[in-house]
Amino acid sequence: ETGVTQTPRHLVMGMTNKKSLKCEQHLGHNAMYWYKQSAKKPLELMFVYNFKEQTENNSVPSRFSPECPNSSHLFLHLHTLQPEDSALYLCASSQDPGQEYNEQFFGPGTRLTVL
Amino acid sequence: GQNIDQPTEMTATEGAIVQINCTYQTSGFNGLFWYQQHAGEAPTFLSYNVLDGLEEKGRFSSFLSRSKGYSYLLLKELQMKDSASYLCASLDSNYQLIWGAGTKLIIKP
Repeated sequence: ETGVTQTPRHLVMGMTNKKSLKCEQHLGHNAMYWYKQSAKKPLELMFVYNFKEQTENNSVPSRFSPECPNSSHLFLHLHTLQPEDSALYLCASSQDPGQEYNEQFFGPGTRLTVL
Repeated sequence: GQNIDQPTEMTATEGAIVQINCTYQTSGFNGLFWYQQHAGEAPTFLSYNVLDGLEEKGRFSSFLSRSKGYSYLLLKELQMKDSASYLCASLDSNYQLIWGAGTKLIIKP
């Protein structure tokens, strides 16, 4: 149990659907992250929130829209996705992203398939 | 550009020792992380090195050479449960993690 939960664990959606991924951390951390993990590729950082403020947006298409209502919850809203967006979406949290030893704790991920 | 290189896949025998190498080129350096990820599960933290040398933690050890941009993860007394992907990540000058694609380790009896 890592203290970071994600729902749903699996999601299949059509290109015209709208869905949301949810992440919750129970560790009292200040920062939360969304990553995309595709097979045999490095983890791609999508968004970073520090104290509920977005600090990183790594050129992510606008069809992905993050929301961070408080330090414990993070959402990723999805709309008009493409088949190439199919991947494992991982949420992570850490105490402080501006420090050297900044271990990130990951959730189990949402396996997304876009048809 | 920023780049992390590690082998795609390695195979080892139960009870043996395996070394997984990682080379990194990042803009600035604030430490090197190793994570373990079992299939279908979350990555979990294994080690962090910021100074040169070897850090030992039970059956797992991690080594760093900053001058060479090189790290390795050493796994001893391999067990079947060690079959997983091992992710190397470098913390750059902006304290952002730059990830390798991971090394899939297969343990055979």
